[in-house]
Amino acid sequence: ETGVTQTPRHLVMGMTNKKSLKCEQHLGHNAMYWYKQSAKKPLELMFVYSLEERVENNSVPSRFSPECPNSSHLFLHLHTLQPEDSALYLCASSQDLSGGYGYTFGSGTRLTVV
Amino acid sequence: AQSVAQPEDQVNVAEGNPLTVKCTYSVSGNPYLFWYVQYPNRGLQFLLKYITGDNLVKGSYGFEAEFNKSQTSFHLKKPSALVSDSALYFCATEDMRFGAGTRLTVKP
Repeated sequence: ETGVTQTPRHLVMGMTNKKSLKCEQHLGHNAMYWYKQSAKKPLELMFVYSLEERVENNSVPSRFSPECPNSSHLFLHLHTLQPEDSALYLCASSQDLSGGYGYTFGSGTRLTVV
Repeated sequence: AQSVAQPEDQVNVAEGNPLTVKCTYSVSGNPYLFWYVQYPNRGLQFLLKYITGDNLVKGSYGFEAEFNKSQTSFHLKKPSALVSDSALYFCATEDMRFGAGTRLTVKP
């Protein structure tokens, strides 16, 4: 375990479903991130939160909705997804936004949209 | 904007041979650079980082990386590859910009 826990590990959902991905860290980190990893594509930074405030949103479709209720938890709410949204979704955390200490990643949620 | 590039999608080496995974950077000022490794169905794991000081940085699992300012490179190296080193390797900047990844395959 890295200290960043993601649940569920695997998720299969229909295009009309609503589901949520959860990320939890107890490392005392102040910044948390969502990434999308698709086959043969670079990692895509989706959302960045610092001290529970969203600081970056990289043109992500509105069918993805993040929530950061406190510095230890990060959610990604999913609704009316498309098959091309199937990917590995990675959560990461860091001490702060400066990045000097590096990042700790969870093991990811493998999402399949059918 | 800061960015890194990994020019090779795939690197194949024989076990026991030295390996190099390439990364070039485009960063203004003094760069902070990182290497991460991803094993199948897992998240990324931190390997090593360069912030300042010695150009040769040593990290986990016997890996090291050489920061070369004149060539704007930060190549990952290991003197003797293991089959268990087979994985996906990512170079990254301090603001979470990752390269596309290089798949390393070490054959017995």
